[in-house]
Amino acid sequence: QLQLQESGPGLVKPSETLSLTCTVSGGSIGSSTYYWGWIRQPPGKGLDWIGSIYYSGSTHYNPSLKSRVTISVDTSKNQFSLKLSSVTAADTAVYYCARLNITVAAHDSWGQGTLVTVSS
Amino acid sequence: DIVMTQTPLSSPVTLGQPASISCRSSQSLVHSDGNTYLSWLQQRPGQPPRLLIYKISNRFSGVPDRFSGSGAGTDFTLKISRVEAEDVGVYYCTQATQFPLTFGGGTKVEIK
Repeated sequence: QLQLQESGPGLVKPSETLSLTCTVSGGSIGSSTYYWGWIRQPPGKGLDWIGSIYYSGSTHYNPSLKSRVTISVDTSKNQFSLKLSSVTAADTAVYYCARLNITVAAHDSWGQGTLVTVSS
Repeated sequence: DIVMTQTPLSSPVTLGQPASISCRSSQSLVHSDGNTYLSWLQQRPGQPPRLLIYKISNRFSGVPDRFSGSGAGTDFTLKISRVEAEDVGVYYCTQATQFPLTFGGGTKVEIK
């Protein structure tokens, strides 16, 4: 069964770079059927798509974050990563990694999420 | 960006009774390939979201048949035929017809 697990620091200082990694197990990140992405959820609020990456490295980003976001993939480790630069308190959220199934065009598998707090 | 608007914000329901959630998009979700990429997610308290319905009306693997989706173009509905205690949570509509992917604001289903 596919599992996605987010990892990274739970506390980041303002103006620094948030870095998270998603490790995929039970399936190959190199499959042509899927994109791999990041979605965040501020405390008590709704879902916000950050961006998605294909195994080839092709990316799509939310224009509202595009200048600060980089998503990369490492097929040898079956991982993909998120970097968000120049963070502020507004970037405090639970960050989820998820698989976007191209066939059904929906996020069909999600990690448990990791809370990242931006604070000095 | 396509804006997704859900109503109501909250839906108190008696156990065993039906519930209905509406989702409207700011533009048609019909893709150039003819498909409509509208899906529904359920988020139980303290849990990550879970896919319920994709392409308007297709139940994802393991989803009970009391959940159904309908609609076309810009107007969509999720229905729960008989609400059970495990259905408590927030429901989101989301579109993947066009990047950036967007979500509705969520509808909280709670038991009266």
